[in-house]
Order: sequence, then structure tokens, then C-alpha cells
Amino acid sequence: AQKVTQAQTEISVVEKEDVTLDCVYETRDTTYYLFWYKQPPSGELVFLIRRNSFDEQNEISGRYSWNFQKSTSSFNFTITASQVVDSAVYFCALSEAGGGSYIPTFGRGTSLIVHP
Amino acid sequence: DAGVTQSPTHLIKTRGQQVTLRCSPKSGHDTVSWYQQALGQGPQFIFQYYEEEERQRGNFPDRFSGHQFPNYSSELNVNALLLGDSALYLCASSQGLPQPYNEQFFGPGTRLTVL
Repeated sequence: AQKVTQAQTEISVVEKEDVTLDCVYETRDTTYYLFWYKQPPSGELVFLIRRNSFDEQNEISGRYSWNFQKSTSSFNFTITASQVVDSAVYFCALSEAGGGSYIPTFGRGTSLIVHP
Repeated sequence: DAGVTQSPTHLIKTRGQQVTLRCSPKSGHDTVSWYQQALGQGPQFIFQYYEEEERQRGNFPDRFSGHQFPNYSSELNVNALLLGDSALYLCASSQGLPQPYNEQFFGPGTRLTVL
């Protein structure tokens, strides 16, 4: 069965600090997809990135970067020079592609608080 | 371009009652998924609708049922409400045949409180 673990419940940083949010996953499938979503206080989850299991290239988008390592089953998310607007709950999610059933599984989320 | 909309925003019910939540997908989207998010937890997949049929279902009892209309909007019905059904119910839409890699667009959710 698929599982996503976000061990950090809450992280508190001061503006301009770098912060890394950890995500560890479990799956028996060889083909799967990993996602990161941001949930601001308004409640709507906002899609940030998608990665498939065959693409281990790291990705950078502005201040955001993602490190995907199959060897450690991790898909970590780093925010460089954090800003107050980054304060939100961040979720990592996994969808398996094998077997025709790809019910997405979310982690419990990491609450990021960025202080001015 | 309207995003995903949900109604109502908040709802208070008592145990044993029934509730209906509504969702309109983002323009151009035809797949709708529903999630339950308990306080301090990640969203849990309830079910997904495409072409007016339930395509996938998570580990939720039959008290949870849904429907998708020809205009792609959807309803989530919960019967015989329990205290444990109190949660934020999120609707998400995507375009085309359901696939594991689909990017989903979420609505703001309906906060259901069961007393």
C-alpha cells in the first residue's frame, strides 16, 4: 500500500531563511507520480509540482526547488530566502499508476510559519 | 475564468442528519474528485466522477455517495452523519480522462460541523 510521511508537523523560520520540507514515500509500483501542494489559510490547495518516478532530475522554480531521490524514497522541497507569503501548510502526495487504481495519498502536511 | 467553486462555505448539522455539498469544476474540466480533510490531517480521497460515473472510490462507507451532472458539476451526499464526519470537504477538478498524473485544481472547501 502506498504511504506518504511528512515527519515535520510545524516549522518556524524568520524571513530570508532557507527551509526544507521533507517527504518520504512508500510504494510497490515502479511507475508513480509525486506532487507538492500548498494550502494557504484560505483553504484551497494549490498545485506546485509533479514528478514521475522515471525523472529524478531536480527542479528549480524561482525560490522553490525540489530534490527527488529514489534511492531514499524522498521528494524534498526547499524554499530559498523564505517570505511571509510562504506561510502555509504544504502537502506531499503520491499516485501510483499500476493496476488501474491511482487513488492519491496525501501526507499529513507540514505547517510553515515565516516570521517577519 | 472561474476556478472551482463549492457551496455552502460552512454547514452545521446534528448527528443522524443528511447533508449535500455542491461543486462546480473549473471551466473546461470534466473530472471531479472529492476529499475529506480532518483538522490537522491531509486530504483523504473519497471518490472521483467522470462522464457522470463514479470511477474510483477511497475507503469510505456507503453513507458517502455522489453524483455528477451533465454540466460536470457534482454533489457529495453524506447520510446518517457522525461526529467524526466533521471536516473540511474539498472538491478538485481536472481535465480529461482520470489519470494518476492529472494536475488537480481545488476549491476552497465546505467546512462541515456535526454536533
